[in-house]
Amino acid sequence: NAGVTQTPKFQVLKTGQSMTLQCAQDMNHNSMYWYRQDPGMGLRLIYYSASEGTTDKGEVPNGYNVSRLNKREFSLRLESAAPSQTSVYFCASSSQAGWVNEQFFGPGTRLTVL
Amino acid sequence: DAKTTQPPSMDCAEGRAANLPCNHSTISGNEYVYWYRQIHSQGPQYIIHGLKNNETNEMASLIITEDRKSSTLILPHATLRDTAVYYCIVRVYGSQGNLIFGKGTKLSVKP
Repeated sequence: NAGVTQTPKFQVLKTGQSMTLQCAQDMNHNSMYWYRQDPGMGLRLIYYSASEGTTDKGEVPNGYNVSRLNKREFSLRLESAAPSQTSVYFCASSSQAGWVNEQFFGPGTRLTVL
Repeated sequence: DAKTTQPPSMDCAEGRAANLPCNHSTISGNEYVYWYRQIHSQGPQYIIHGLKNNETNEMASLIITEDRKSSTLILPHATLRDTAVYYCIVRVYGSQGNLIFGKGTKLSVKP
């Protein structure tokens, strides 16, 4: 099993450009999450999907949209990137619908917005 | 969620046990203690969790005091690959939303 995979690993954008971060899990988990981590800080939740077909805002949702494409895939879109969105983005999944126990994290996407 | 307090950094000699403390004096009866770690530039990794009994798995042991106000994560034979930031999180089992990662403890395992 690959666990949680994320693409791309690195990305550089100019202000105003758009992009989609992809995340997939092969553990048949119900819940998926998107976090961002800024230097020297803990993780902050952007959006989460408790189960296929549902999405909810987290702590810092402004400037992002998400799509739970199917049970395996959960994408994060930046419509108009801003320098404040420079960060490392982590996708995670967990088995129980809506629960946060034992989250499994992907390797991260390092995004720089110039 | 109850607040947790951890030392900012610790050193441990390779092959020795690493004991990482966490204070959670305001923990409530239905809150579990979770431990995650984050190796440099990687995503956080779940280690172990428990309610009031001591727990052990293939990665570590978790010792929770009888009053549940503190706990200790034990890595029995630390290796260089255990160098990471370790996070202690207190949370109601089954609750929705995000895990609150504080600053954690930076464990440096030295040869």
